Amino acid sequence: EVQLVESGGGLVKPGGSLRLSCAASGFSFSTYSMNWVRQAPGKGLEWVSSIGGSSTSIYYAGSVKGRFTTSRDNAKNSLYLQMNSLRAEDTGVYYCAREEDQQLLNWGQGALVTVSS
Amino acid sequence: QSVLTQPPSASATPGQRVTISCSGTRSNIGSNHVYWYQQFPGTAPKLLIYRNNQRPSGVPDRFSGSKSGASASLAISGLRSEDEADYYCVVWDDSLSGRLFGGGTKLTVL
Repeated sequence: EVQLVESGGGLVKPGGSLRLSCAASGFSFSTYSMNWVRQAPGKGLEWVSSIGGSSTSIYYAGSVKGRFTTSRDNAKNSLYLQMNSLRAEDTGVYYCAREEDQQLLNWGQGALVTVSS
Repeated sequence: QSVLTQPPSASATPGQRVTISCSGTRSNIGSNHVYWYQQFPGTAPKLLIYRNNQRPSGVPDRFSGSKSGASASLAISGLRSEDEADYYCVVWDDSLSGRLFGGGTKLTVL
């Protein structure tokens, strides 16, 4: 059974940093691209980033480019999102999702990030 | 405001058919496959339609997708109360080199 578990969320001040992790199990992690998708409170879903299985292809939404960095450790079956220069508008639930043939097939339960002074 | 335009809300009575539209451009819907996701409050989204009109196993055939040019739509027939949820269209944009989510449509079953 595919499982994705996010961790690392919390409260951070504007301008601060936070690192999210996503622990994956139940599938060959290195074979699949992974994505981060976020959802502000009461708002719609927003794609944040995707990373290929070998980390050679990494893409970011314009709203986070230059501030967020996506990485993965295939030996640890883990995906990461380093978030710097955080803003109030970065507040929300962050989901990691496994991608297969462009389908976001499996999702974690989400990690809440709150950016507030 | 999302580059992909969806109506913010839709409603219908049980048994009826409802259609949710998703309007894009040549660089996204016009060039790539469209995916639809269903999300209930407080839960992660679930894939409903892939490659414009394909249903994953387990998704009832009441749900169908279509695409024409730079627009796509999701249709739900034989509406049920349990279909009340938020629906999102998703597509890759070649110009932005990124994945786009529509703004989402909240479906209410009256």
